[in-house]
Amino acid sequence: DAKTTQPTSMDCAEGRAANLPCNHSTISGNEYVYWYRQIHSQGPQYIIHGLKNNETNEMASLIITEDRKSSTLILPHATLRDTAVYYCIVRAYGGSQGNLIFGKGTKLSVKP
Amino acid sequence: EPEVTQTPSHQVTQMGQEVILRCVPISNHLYFYWYRQILGQKVEFLVSFYNNEISEKSEIFDDQFSVERPDGSNFTLKIRSTKLEDSAMYFCASIISDSYNEQFFGPGTRLTVL
Repeated sequence: DAKTTQPTSMDCAEGRAANLPCNHSTISGNEYVYWYRQIHSQGPQYIIHGLKNNETNEMASLIITEDRKSSTLILPHATLRDTAVYYCIVRAYGGSQGNLIFGKGTKLSVKP
Repeated sequence: EPEVTQTPSHQVTQMGQEVILRCVPISNHLYFYWYRQILGQKVEFLVSFYNNEISEKSEIFDDQFSVERPDGSNFTLKIRSTKLEDSAMYFCASIISDSYNEQFFGPGTRLTVL
């Protein structure tokens, strides 16, 4: 089972920041937080990952609390194309397994 | 930009028939995965494959399923005798190495079992 808890759905106005929370209170010291998204029925798409420091890339920012029990994915200027299901996944770094355990995610609806 | 490709995009089959779903991972990737997603449900891990053998498999991946990398480019998922409940989207994914972070997913094959 997924080790994360996310809200079922969220709305965001186009052009505004979308802040998607994730609770992972049982995270282990060697586990990273990964975010993927799935637009309609397409294959999941990697967004960002982090261990304990905040991370930023061209798609999003990831804020991880100091105790690592929760995190927030930030899409700074949401567009209609960001409408998708967003998955927060916790897994250990590396290893030949590497399989991702998906939860139900958060369905983000970006509205004009 | 390199991408994972899957064929066919949609496969319709009769219950009890064998199907083979095909994937071409990104060329320099070494780890390969199959996931499935039943309509309206979560994405579920099926199997991972490395160095020409299965690394890990889920409870879903029973004796009806098999995977193969028949040549240097293709990665296939075979379902020997399809059941109605096998109807789902099947996604292939690959990753360059076990120390890399981003799994690249293909667009999926929609399997419909009648």
